[in-house]
Formats: sequence, structure tokens, C-alpha cells
Amino acid sequence: DAGVTQSPTHLIKTRGQQVTLRCSPKSGHDTVSWYQQALGQGPQFIFQYYEEEERQRGNFPDRFSGHQFPNYSSELNVNALLLGDSALYLCASSSLAGLSYNEQFFGPGTRLTVL
Amino acid sequence: GQQLNQSPQSMFIQEGEDVSMNCTSSSIFNTWLWYKQDPGEGPVLLIALYKAGELTSNGRLTAQFGITRKDSFLNISASIPSDVGIYFCAGPNDMRFGAGTRLTVKP
Repeated sequence: DAGVTQSPTHLIKTRGQQVTLRCSPKSGHDTVSWYQQALGQGPQFIFQYYEEEERQRGNFPDRFSGHQFPNYSSELNVNALLLGDSALYLCASSSLAGLSYNEQFFGPGTRLTVL
Repeated sequence: GQQLNQSPQSMFIQEGEDVSMNCTSSSIFNTWLWYKQDPGEGPVLLIALYKAGELTSNGRLTAQFGITRKDSFLNISASIPSDVGIYFCAGPNDMRFGAGTRLTVKP
């Protein structure tokens, strides 16, 4: 049973460019969340997708957008890249089952460097 | 977003020693979560706490949900080299993470 997978592993972009990161959730999971983790910091919540809709959003500008597909996989898009967008981007999946908390399983992340 | 206050930032200990770290928040939480992150990996959940005063163990790890619901503690007993990593506390539904405690264990 594959866990959460993310692609690509590493990515280098220049300022102003656009980037798309991809995530496949753990088998049986229907909810995907995205986090940004700057060097030396904890993950910061970007947004969460469930049933192909953005369910919750953290304090990130509209340059950060996402999508969830019918097979539950997800994409994170970042437009007009800034140097400060350089970070590890983590995807986490879980299963919404009406409980107060469902454990999230994290992928290994995509390391984005903006030059 | 709002950060949790996690301390210490880093710890250097000898193998076999016990470790204690904590996390505080300015707001009341109904869930506290503790994660460990190894280099090149995503965080892995260690312990989840759901009730004020709750004390939960997972092997050599013990975590407590503070009575005030604004803090939590994680203890590691008899540390071993594979305990090396970054430990994060997180609030409700993982929306807020602390900055992490980086643990180094010297053999």
C-alpha cells in the first residue's frame, strides 16, 4: 500500500514563474491538505481539499491555488513566484469520517527553490 | 498564521538521557498532536491528545495535555540515536504547528 506520494522531489524556478506541484493521497483517503515549510520552521497550513472543493484555507495569498481531481489526487499551483516562496511543500492526506480528528499522513515533500 | 510557542529550539543530549519539551498556545485547544520529522521526510504522528489532563504513552514517549488546555508536554525516556530529528507540536486539525525542537543524541 503506497503512502502519500509527491512530485517532483525538487524544483528550481525563477522569480515571476509559475509552478505546479502534485500529490497522490494514501489509498482510501479522500482529503488532501497542503503545507509550506520554510527552513527551520514548522509547516504552515495552506489549504485543504475535499470532494474537489477547497474546504479550509490558511493565511496565504491568492497566488496559491489548488485543485482536487475525482481520483482524490491534488495539485498546488503558485503563480508569480517570489524568493520567499522557496520552501518544502508538504502534502498530507486523511479520511473525513465525521470524527473530530483524523490522522493525516504526510508525503516526503517537494523542495522548491526560487532564484 | 498563528504559531505555537515550542521550546526548547534545540537539545543536545547523551544517549540514555531523558528528554522533555513543551508547547504553549495563547488560545485553548481541544486537540494536541506531536509529530517527528526525519531529514527528507514528512512529519509522522507520534501521539494525539484529546482531553485536558490526558496522559498518553507510545513506547518510550509520553505526552500530556495540559489542564489549562493551552499547553502540552512531550517526554522521551532513555533516548537512543534514532530519536534524532525534529519534534513538532500541532494544534487542532493540524492547522497550526510549532517551530519544532531539534533533538541531537550523542552516542
